[in-house]
Amino acid sequence: NAGVTQTPKFQVLKTGQSMTLQCAQDMNHNSMYWYRQDPGMGLRLIYYSASEGTTDKGEVPNGYNVSRLNKREFSLRLESAAPSQTSVYFCASSPSRTGGTMTQYFGPGTRLLVL
Amino acid sequence: KNQVEQSPQSLIILEGKNCTLQCNYTVSPFSNLRWYKQDTGRGPVSLTIMTFSENTKSNGRYTATLDADTKQSSLHITASQLSDSASYICVVRQGGSQGNLIFGKGTKLSVKP
Repeated sequence: NAGVTQTPKFQVLKTGQSMTLQCAQDMNHNSMYWYRQDPGMGLRLIYYSASEGTTDKGEVPNGYNVSRLNKREFSLRLESAAPSQTSVYFCASSPSRTGGTMTQYFGPGTRLLVL
Repeated sequence: KNQVEQSPQSLIILEGKNCTLQCNYTVSPFSNLRWYKQDTGRGPVSLTIMTFSENTKSNGRYTATLDADTKQSSLHITASQLSDSASYICVVRQGGSQGNLIFGKGTKLSVKP
């Protein structure tokens, strides 16, 4: 039972390049999330998927797109990377989007550097 | 504005000592408050979740308290160990159908031998 896995662990991009961050969970969770974590700031929600087939914008969606491929997988795409997107990206999952005390389980993160 | 403020930003203590981390929030409506531990280079891991009616909750050497009237929470670590070195993040869930999570910036704790 791996929990939440993310690939790649680390990536360097040049400005304007595109890439997709992959996330998968094996806990049969309905909801999945993408966050970014920057120095001196709290985690910020980029996009989330409350259930398979749905996606919604979070706090900082500009410059990103997502795909909920199936119940297990939720990918984050940067179409044209910018230095401001240098960050650590975390994927998380939870049994559902609502439900009060439900815990979100986080992956190990992807460290992205855009030059 | 919905905010979660944590103090101190960083803290250094000696192994075996106790410490207390603080969290103040202005999130409304309030649903629950969580403390996460984030080891360097890893994702956050949940320590405790407290609802409005809970004043204290323990998880081993970690004890969280919540005062919903003053909108303050604390995380007390007893008999610290080197493995406690990490960032501790306070997170408040808003009430309502959306239930957004508002994250604090974290307190970085270093436990020295």
